[in-house]
Amino acid sequence: NAGVMQNPRHLVRRRGQEARLRCSPVKGHSHVYWYRQLPEEGLKFMVYLQKENIIDESGMPKERFSAEFPKEGPSILRIQQVVRGDSAAYFCASSPDRGEAFFGQGTRLTVV
Amino acid sequence: GENVEQHPSTLSVQEGDSAVIKCTYSDSASNYFPWYKQELGKRPQLIIDIRSNVGEKKDQRIAVTLNKTAKHFSLHITETQPEDSAVYFCAASMPGNTGKLIFGQGTTLQVKP
Repeated sequence: NAGVMQNPRHLVRRRGQEARLRCSPVKGHSHVYWYRQLPEEGLKFMVYLQKENIIDESGMPKERFSAEFPKEGPSILRIQQVVRGDSAAYFCASSPDRGEAFFGQGTRLTVV
Repeated sequence: GENVEQHPSTLSVQEGDSAVIKCTYSDSASNYFPWYKQELGKRPQLIIDIRSNVGEKKDQRIAVTLNKTAKHFSLHITETQPEDSAVYFCAASMPGNTGKLIFGQGTTLQVKP
């Protein structure tokens, strides 16, 4: 039973570089959510996607951040021109029916 | 928009004692309330959840209660064990049935042997 798979687990980027975070949902789950967690804080909703569609991106910064969930392949969260404030753990969750959400192990992004 | 407040931020109990964590939410249209346990450096794991048509749910040593009128829900852990030590997050679903969750700030539970 493969759960939500995220990679890489750890990612170090210099300021100004791009970060690409990948998430493969549980097989058969068509709903994907991205959350950001700053140190010692709760998870903050960023974006909700279904296959090929962004449903709700109200929690995602309007600049530099984008997300996709293509017909084939994993969901991608892309952060362009990273800044130190982007350093956080980014968690992906998937759900079969917009109910119970299963989380991945997260990608810990460090911007140096 | 929806806001979830969680208390206390830290909780220390002796092994075998009970632990209670409380959350309040602001939007009366929320209808799904999960609780997650997160160990250091690991993923949040669902431990119990409750829907708004139920007032209480129990699973072995863990129970959750929901008071819709007061917009308040609580996690109860009985007979705590050292392996219960972790950060616990409550969450409430956003209205609109999107599955989007608003999380509380977290409670760091320490169970002393």
